[in-house]
Amino acid sequence: QKEVEQNSGPLSVPEGAIASLNCTYSDRGSQSFFWYRQYSGKSPELIMSIYSNGDKEDGRFTAQLNKASQYVSLLIRDSQPSDSATYLCAVLSGGSYIPTFGRGTSLIVHP
Amino acid sequence: SAVISQKPSRDICQRGTSLTIQCQVDSQVTMMFWYRQQPGQSLTLIATANQGSEATYESGFVIDKFPISRPNLTFSTLTVSNLSPEDSSIYLCSVEDPGGSSYEQYFGPGTRLTVT
Repeated sequence: QKEVEQNSGPLSVPEGAIASLNCTYSDRGSQSFFWYRQYSGKSPELIMSIYSNGDKEDGRFTAQLNKASQYVSLLIRDSQPSDSATYLCAVLSGGSYIPTFGRGTSLIVHP
Repeated sequence: SAVISQKPSRDICQRGTSLTIQCQVDSQVTMMFWYRQQPGQSLTLIATANQGSEATYESGFVIDKFPISRPNLTFSTLTVSNLSPEDSSIYLCSVEDPGGSSYEQYFGPGTRLTVT
């Protein structure tokens, strides 16, 4: 059974701080990793994908992947109240085209 | 990415009836997926729909309850049959990256179903 674990939160950070969202996965054969943002009442929106170990930066977002530790994280720098949402981690195993989604972490950025 | 639309955006239905949800994509895609998201929960895959073949259902979901059509490469429908209050949920269609190189999935805006 492939599992993707996320702390449900809520994670509360002050505006301007760095928000760190974490995700662990069980399948060592996983090869593709995705972060989605979901605002309340809206559908998930893909914000980052990462395929190799290390960091990938896109604006205020940085995804970090450590396959040896089976760990992927999302850092949000200079957090804004508009970043308040649920962040879903999704993991795709090699040979599969259907990702396994975590339950999501609720992020609250307070002014 | 892809632009995906769903109809209806929301509906309130009586138990025992059915609701058909439409999903339209602005580009041709091989795979379309139907998910359910219950309040406060993550995404549960219902089935994968490929054009020209029967949909593949995940464990716990059956064709009689969730018939799916996929008549072409830009369109699919999901019907939720014999509705009960437990079917109240958000239903989402998604597609795989139209460029076919990244396995990224993109979601439609969702259909919020309430069964009374």
